[in-house]
Parts: sequence; structure tokens; C-alpha cells
Amino acid sequence: GQQVMQIPQYQHVQEGEDFTTYCNSSTTLSNIQWYKQRPGGHPVFLIQLVKSGEVKKQKRLTFQFGEAKKNSSLHITATQTTDVGTYFCATGANNLFFGTGTRLTVIP
Amino acid sequence: DTGVSQDPRHKITKRGQNVTFRCDPISEHNRLYWYRQTLGQGPEFLTYFQNEAQLEKSRLLSDRFSAERPKGSFSTLEIQRTEQGDSAMYLCASSLGPAKNTEAFFGQGTRLTVV
Repeated sequence: GQQVMQIPQYQHVQEGEDFTTYCNSSTTLSNIQWYKQRPGGHPVFLIQLVKSGEVKKQKRLTFQFGEAKKNSSLHITATQTTDVGTYFCATGANNLFFGTGTRLTVIP
Repeated sequence: DTGVSQDPRHKITKRGQNVTFRCDPISEHNRLYWYRQTLGQGPEFLTYFQNEAQLEKSRLLSDRFSAERPKGSFSTLEIQRTEQGDSAMYLCASSLGPAKNTEAFFGQGTRLTVV
């Protein structure tokens, strides 16, 4: 199956600072999905990107799909304590493979 | 619809015993996925179904693991002769299909502890 690597593995930010996580693949991806998993919870879908160079925004979250469709990023502007959790990218033409995740800690 | 439900939520079993987990997906969803997640790791793909057909099974899945979705609705995951390394959260997810991947909805998971 397709593999995607995420960096960083962990990120600690002060509340109000920005946060970015990156998802990278050595092969062209058909799509990228992003999920958030709160501590003790299950993954919850955030968004799907399918087009080269696509950019989507959800309030303070900005998602990008690279021009070559081999990487993606999730950027959070002015983090809040409610943003705490692990952010996963996932991809797959038929099934769905998850990246390793970036665990975000927001210090109040 | 209340979403994807999994049963039981927690299971403690002795090494060598068999366990079975159940997943009830969202009713109109054709696709059903099983994942395993250990602490600090991402969900690891195990297998997925399109209706009642099991279309892919991870190479990591030993022959002690078997999954079924007999009528294309609920699914079961059975682990035979459990080992301590099987201790993990087992997540089920469902989505619409098959033309393209769409949003996957996850259940709360079944936490398995093998002692």
C-alpha cells in the first residue's frame, strides 16, 4: 500500500502561535485526506484534497495539496487549546492508509 | 443514524483465547475498514470490504486474524490464539463507495488487552 510520512512527529506551541504539519510521499497520490484525533478519541475527518495545487480553508485551518501531488500540508493559524490532538494524513485509491501523525500540544 | 458502533468497547482476554469484535457501520455505507492502533501510532490498515466482498487484506495480518461481512452490513473481526502483541485499539470505519474515496467515519474502537 501507499506510504505517507508526516513531520514533525510532535509539536508544542504556545497558544496563539501557528502550527504546520507536512505529509510526504515518494509516489503520486490520488488524494489526501486529513483527520484529527483528540486524546482518547477516534479519528475524525477534516477534509479531502484531490486536485494538484488545491488549497482549502476551514476557519483557521488551511490545507494544501502539492503541485506534483506528492505532498500536502495542514496549517493552523493562531492555535487554541481546542486544537490539541494528533493530526493524520491518509491516502489511497481504494483503501485508506494513514500517516504516522503529528501530535500537537498547545500551551495556554 | 447514530454513526459507526463497535462492540465491545473493552476486552481483556488471556493469551491463547479467541476474541471476536463487531462493527455496525452507517447503514448506507458500502465500504467498511478495520484498523489497529497502538499508543502513539497511526491507524494501521488491516482489511476492507466493499459490501460483502473482502477486497484487500494487509500483508501484516497473520492467519490468526479473520474478518467477515456476511450480508454487507455489520462486520466481525476475529483473532484466534491471541498473543500479547495483539493488545491494541481496533478501529472500524465506514464510507460511501466505490467510485472514489470519501470521508471515513470511525467508531469508538474496541480496546483489546491480552494478559
